[in-house]
Parts: sequence; structure tokens; C-alpha cells
Amino acid sequence: EAGVTQSPTHLIKTRGQQATLRCSPISGHTSVYWYQQALGLGLQFLLWYDEGEERNRGNFPPRFSGRQFPNYSSELNVNALELEDSALYLCASSLSTSGHEQFFGPGTRLTVL
Amino acid sequence: AQSVAQPEDQVNVAEGNPLTVKCTYSVSGNPYLFWYVQYPNRGLQFLLKYITGDNLVKGSYGFEAEFNKSQTSFHLKKPSALVSDSALYFCAVRDWNSGTYKYIFGTGTRLKVLA
Repeated sequence: EAGVTQSPTHLIKTRGQQATLRCSPISGHTSVYWYQQALGLGLQFLLWYDEGEERNRGNFPPRFSGRQFPNYSSELNVNALELEDSALYLCASSLSTSGHEQFFGPGTRLTVL
Repeated sequence: AQSVAQPEDQVNVAEGNPLTVKCTYSVSGNPYLFWYVQYPNRGLQFLLKYITGDNLVKGSYGFEAEFNKSQTSFHLKKPSALVSDSALYFCAVRDWNSGTYKYIFGTGTRLKVLA
């Protein structure tokens, strides 16, 4: 069974640009979560999508947004990039109902210069 | 506010010795608790979870965790550490609020098992 996949592996942008990160969940999983893992800060919850709808978002500015497609894949968009957006962005998927463990992808390393 | 704390940034233990990685939480209602492990250059992997039932939960790779409601703790344990257990460990709790939820992760504890 294929795991969660993310693309690209690495992304280098400059301040003010936009970044788009993509995630494909495990087959059968309808929930997709996005996290930011900055150095020394653990995982910070960004967004949760389920069945195509945004179900919750973390304490991040509106320039962090995303969507979930009918096939349950998802993309994260970060507009007006700032230097402090440099981090590892992790996507996870799970079955829909609460209490199920999440399966994580390898992440996209975003560097903002 | 809901939160989870991992009080130790790093834990060192000799191979063959028992290990404990600590986690405490603060939630309203019944907690859903998880442990994940992150090996170098690899994504996070699920180890175990507590939803309800037996306070002692067994998981992957010989790890177990004990849910203690009175101390609001969910410490990760293993009877005999291996060098290959060296990794970054995260505790997580489900935060239910205003009809929806999210998972809050601790800041992680780096486990170093010394040969």
C-alpha cells in the first residue's frame, strides 16, 4: 500500500513569492492535515481538510490557505512568502472519524531567501 | 487552553536499560493521546494511542505507554532500549473545541541510546 506522498521534496523561493505544496493521502483516507515543523518548534497545526471541506485551521495568517480535491489530494498555498516561513511542511492523512492515527508524508522543505 | 508538554528536550540512556520519555497534557473532556517517532530524514511514524480502556497501551517496536488520569500524564516506556531507538519522539493530544478538533503536538524529545 502506497504511503502519503508529498511534492516537491524541496522548494526554494524568494520573499514575496507564492509557494504551492502538494499531498496525496493513503487510499481510503479522506482527512488531510497540514503541519509546519520549524526548527525547535515541534509541529504546528496549519489546516485540516475532510471530504473536500476545511474543518479547522491553526493560528496562522490567511496567506496560508489550501484546498482538497475530489480525489482527496490536497495542496497548501503560501502567499507573500516571508523568511520565517522557511520550514518543513508535513502532510498527514487519516480515516475520517476522530481518534484515528495519522500517517505522515516525508515533507516538503521550503526555503525562503 | 489545551496543551501538551514534553519537559525534556533530550533523554540519554544506555543500550539495554529501560527508557522513559515523559508527556503531560491539559485537555477538557476525555483525552485522545498519541505517540509518534521521527527517525532522521524520515517522516513521523505512529507508535501507539490511548482512546479508552486499559491504561497500559502497547505499540510498535516494543514501546508502551501508561495513561495516568490523576497525573494527566502519558509517558512512553520501553523495558530495554536499542541503539536503533535513537530518534525524535512526539506526544500529541486531540484538542476538541467549538464543534471541531485538531491535534496538538509537543515540542519533541530527542532520545539518544548509547552503545
